[in-house]
Amino acid sequence: QSALTQPASVSGSPGQSITISCTGTSRDVGGYKLVSWYQHHPDKVPKLILYEDTTRPSGVSNRFSGSKSGNTASLTISGLQPEDEADYYCCSLSRTSSYVFGTGTKVTVL
Amino acid sequence: EVQLVESGGDVVQPGGSLRLSCAASGFNFYEWTMNWVRQVPGKGLEWVSLITWNGGSIDYADSVKGRFTISRDNSKNSLYLQMDSLRSEDTALYYCIKEGIHSFASWGQGTQVTVLS
Repeated sequence: QSALTQPASVSGSPGQSITISCTGTSRDVGGYKLVSWYQHHPDKVPKLILYEDTTRPSGVSNRFSGSKSGNTASLTISGLQPEDEADYYCCSLSRTSSYVFGTGTKVTVL
Repeated sequence: EVQLVESGGDVVQPGGSLRLSCAASGFNFYEWTMNWVRQVPGKGLEWVSLITWNGGSIDYADSVKGRFTISRDNSKNSLYLQMDSLRSEDTALYYCIKEGIHSFASWGQGTQVTVLS
């Protein structure tokens, strides 16, 4: 099972919006409405920020939003803030291996 | 509050075995699917294994299939991962996770497994 493809890094200035893509196949991302996204700060535990492609868990800022088109899911962070600097991972249910993670994207706030 | 506390990580030689444990509290453990996810230092997250509430369905990543065995004891609110025939590429921080809606809702702090000769 190959990892989902994410850009290695994305950067933006405070207040800007950035988008992170997550590309898979029809056997995972495109086959289910079940992509989740995680924020991971160094030396902390990963945190769920979106599930079912677009749903935010209670307590997660509405600056985080999700979308999907075909086999590519996207995470948009609006009004970028310094505390958003972290690694972000997508994950999808998969027909071939229960779950598959993305390669991860390092977000830098300039 | 959901609490997941992993233990059992250690330094082991290639070919060796380890048993990871995860003590769960703060929720009805017997109702939930549980997972193990790992992170290689400096690299990404990798899903390892899952077990449904009653152990009726179990799955593994191809990279560990045939070497790792997941199990649970609902009477002890505990999740386990038996790791045999360990390889250097199994070196990672292993997280115990309570599954949400096909997502990883609650994570433990992780336990470090290091495989080196």
